[in-house]
Amino acid sequence: EVQLLESGGGLVQPGGSLRLSCAASGFTFSSNAMSWVRQAPGKGLEWVSTLGGSGLSKYYADSVQGRFTISRDNSKNTLYLQMSSLRAEDTAIYYCAKIYCSSTGCHWYFDVWGRGTLVTVSS
Amino acid sequence: DIQMTQSPSTLSASVGDRVTITCRASQSISTWLAWYQQKPGKAPKLLIYKASTSESGVPSRFSGSGSGTEFTLTISSLQPDDFATYYCQQYNSYLAFGQGTKVEIK
Repeated sequence: EVQLLESGGGLVQPGGSLRLSCAASGFTFSSNAMSWVRQAPGKGLEWVSTLGGSGLSKYYADSVQGRFTISRDNSKNTLYLQMSSLRAEDTAIYYCAKIYCSSTGCHWYFDVWGRGTLVTVSS
Repeated sequence: DIQMTQSPSTLSASVGDRVTITCRASQSISTWLAWYQQKPGKAPKLLIYKASTSESGVPSRFSGSGSGTEFTLTISSLQPDDFATYYCQQYNSYLAFGQGTKVEIK
């Protein structure tokens, strides 16, 4: 069964840092681009960042560029999101999501989602 | 950046109704569009990709259509399990979500 399990969320003060993890299983992790998508309380979905399967190609939303860093450890089948200089508006559920990839390439829609981890930025 | 606009924001309907949700892109995205369903407290679930291709296991009452800048998600006969929020997402250029359409019980 394909699964994504996020961890690392919690309460952090404005200006603080936090690292999220996403453990993947049931598919060839290194062959798939992966993303983080967030959802503020009562709001819609917002794409945060995407990382290619090799870990070399990184993409960020303008709202987190320069503050968040996406990375992966393919030997551990794990995706990470290092968040720094956190702001109140970063408060959200953060979902790890698998981008659809096949032998012919990847298309940036999400066929598998984790359950999410809640990040609360507050003093 | 490509902006995605869904309408309506909220839709009240009854079991058995035919429901249509519209998604408009600020510029052409060909058919690079996906639809998701999200229930309260749960992660989104992929329904449709490439505008009209159903994900495996999705009931046949869900269908998608459109190309260019205008797209629709149709539920042919609304079931109790379908009351949820629906999001469109373009993946022509990076990606962006619509603001969501909540389908509620009338």
